[in-house]
Order: sequence, then C-alpha cells, then structure tokens
Amino acid sequence: NAGVTQTPKFQVLKTGQSMTLQCAQDMNHNSMYWYRQDPGMGLRLIYYSASEGTTDKGEVPNGYNVSRLNKREFSLRLESAAPSQTSVYFCASQTGFQETQYFGPGTRLLVL
Amino acid sequence: QKEVEQNSGPLSVPEGAIASLNCTYSDRVSQSFFWYRQYSGKSPELIMSIYSNGDKEDGRFTAQLNKASQYVSLLIRDSQPSDSATYLCAVNMLDAGGTSYGKLTFGQGTILTVHP
Repeated sequence: NAGVTQTPKFQVLKTGQSMTLQCAQDMNHNSMYWYRQDPGMGLRLIYYSASEGTTDKGEVPNGYNVSRLNKREFSLRLESAAPSQTSVYFCASQTGFQETQYFGPGTRLLVL
Repeated sequence: QKEVEQNSGPLSVPEGAIASLNCTYSDRVSQSFFWYRQYSGKSPELIMSIYSNGDKEDGRFTAQLNKASQYVSLLIRDSQPSDSATYLCAVNMLDAGGTSYGKLTFGQGTILTVHP
C-alpha cells in the first residue's frame, strides 16, 4: 500500500515549456486534490476532483489544467510554464469530504 | 475571501514545555478543522481533527475548538525536539451551496522549534 504517489519528484522547466505532474492513490479514495505551497505560505488549492469524472477549480487555477483519468489517477498540466509557477506541488486524496486528506511526497518545480 | 490565520511565529519552547498554537478562521459555518504537521522538505501529515466545540485529546496533543469565537488551537504537552516542525491549521469551508467537497483552506503555518 503506497498511499499517494507523485512523479516526478523534481523538475526544472524553461518559461513556456509544458509538463504534466502525475498523481496516483491506491486507497480507493473518491476525492483528489492538487495544492501548491510557496515559501512562508500554507497550501493553496489549485483544482480538485470530488469524484471520478468530475473536476473543478480551486483558489488558484489560472495556468493549470487537470484530468481525472480514473479513480486512482489525477494529473495536473502546465501548458506554458511561467516563473510564478515555481513552487512545491502536493497531491492529496480522501474517501469522504469530512475525512482525513492524505498527501503525496510533493513535486518541486523550478521554472526559469 | 475566506481566510485562516495562524499566530505568527516562529515559536520556540524548551523541551518538556507546553507549546500553544492558535488559529482563527473567517467562515462561521465551517464544520471541520484539522492540524497538520510538516517537517522541512516533507509533505503535511494529519495529527488532529476536530469537529465539535470543546477539547479533543490524543496523547500529548490537545485540539480545542470554539465555533462562536471562530477559534481553534493545538496544545502540545511535554514538547520534544522531534516536535520541531511547521504546524498548519486547515479548515474545511462550505461553498455557497453548503457543500465543502473536502476543499481545505490552510493558514500560513507556524514554525515550532523545541530546544533541548
């Protein structure tokens, strides 16, 4: 039981490049979330998927897109990376809306 | 703008002391409240959740919730150097339709250092 896994662990991009961050969970959770964390700040929600087949915007969705590929996988795509997207990205999942969210190990992204 | 505010840090306490972490939130109808611990370079891990007014104890940790004052706190008794980390307060806020969808709003975190 690996919990929540994320790939890659670290990535360097040039401005304008695109990439997809992958997230998978093996806990049969219904809901999945993408957050970003910047220095000195808490986590901010980018997008979420309340259940398989649905996605919706969070607090800071601009510049991102998501895909809920199946119940296990939820990917985050940067179509044209900008230096302002330099951050640590965390994926999380939970079984019910009031339950514990479990976080993946994070992806550290540097956009030059 | 729905907000969660934590007491400014960093907070430094001696080993064996009580560490007190505080958090206020703006949305009166919030239902669920969480404290996460985050070690440097690691992901957040849940240490306490609380849903109703009062105290909830788990080992050395006690969470306190006062919905009328929109205030939630975390007390760590007998603090240990291994408790040194950033503590994040998170609130599950409801949208206009009265559903949260599990969306968490986090405070900025309080850095706690426990020195021997």
